[in-house]
Amino acid sequence: ETGVTQTPRHLVMGMTNKKSLKCEQHLGHNAMYWYKQSAKKPLELMFVYSLEERVENNSVPSRFSPECPNSSHLFLHLHTLQPEDSALYLCASSQAPASGGTDTQYFGPGTRLTVL
Amino acid sequence: AQSVTQLDSQVPVFEEAPVELRCNYSSSVSVYLFWYVQYPNQGLQLLLKYLSGSTLVKGINGFEAEFNKSQTSFHLRKPSVHISDTAEYFCAVILNTGGFKTIFGAGTRLFVKA
Repeated sequence: ETGVTQTPRHLVMGMTNKKSLKCEQHLGHNAMYWYKQSAKKPLELMFVYSLEERVENNSVPSRFSPECPNSSHLFLHLHTLQPEDSALYLCASSQAPASGGTDTQYFGPGTRLTVL
Repeated sequence: AQSVTQLDSQVPVFEEAPVELRCNYSSSVSVYLFWYVQYPNQGLQLLLKYLSGSTLVKGINGFEAEFNKSQTSFHLRKPSVHISDTAEYFCAVILNTGGFKTIFGAGTRLFVKA
């Protein structure tokens, strides 16, 4: 148990559906991250929020829309996804010192997304 | 552009044998270096990191890594592995420019056999 929870753990959706992934951290951190983990590919950073402001947006398609309402919660809103978006989506959190992301990131268990 | 290369996609090893997982990086600026482990059906967990100081870094579960600037490497080692070390291991870097962007390698699957 890392102090970072993600719901749901598994999600199957059609290409026309709209769904949201939720991440919550109980560690008092002020930076939160979304990653995409696809088979046989390196982990890809999607978004980073620091003090509730987006500080990294790694050329992610607009069908993925992040939301960070407070420092403990992070959402990833999904709409009109493609089958190639099927992957494990990982959330992480860390402290956010002035030096950037050098503090340890704590990861949730991920949401396994399948797009039909 | 920065990149991280993990030279072995899979490493099988017998229990109690030593192991080295290799990691090389490419960057035009200084970097911070990390090793993470991912057990089945779990997220990633930090093993160790190098920010500055001694180039030999000790982490959790008996792992250590050595930063070699001239060879741009950060290989992970353990002198004696256990069955429970079977997992995926990821090397990662963050640029020493104050940002948050973490670049990961493709991972090395360590399989420890009895």
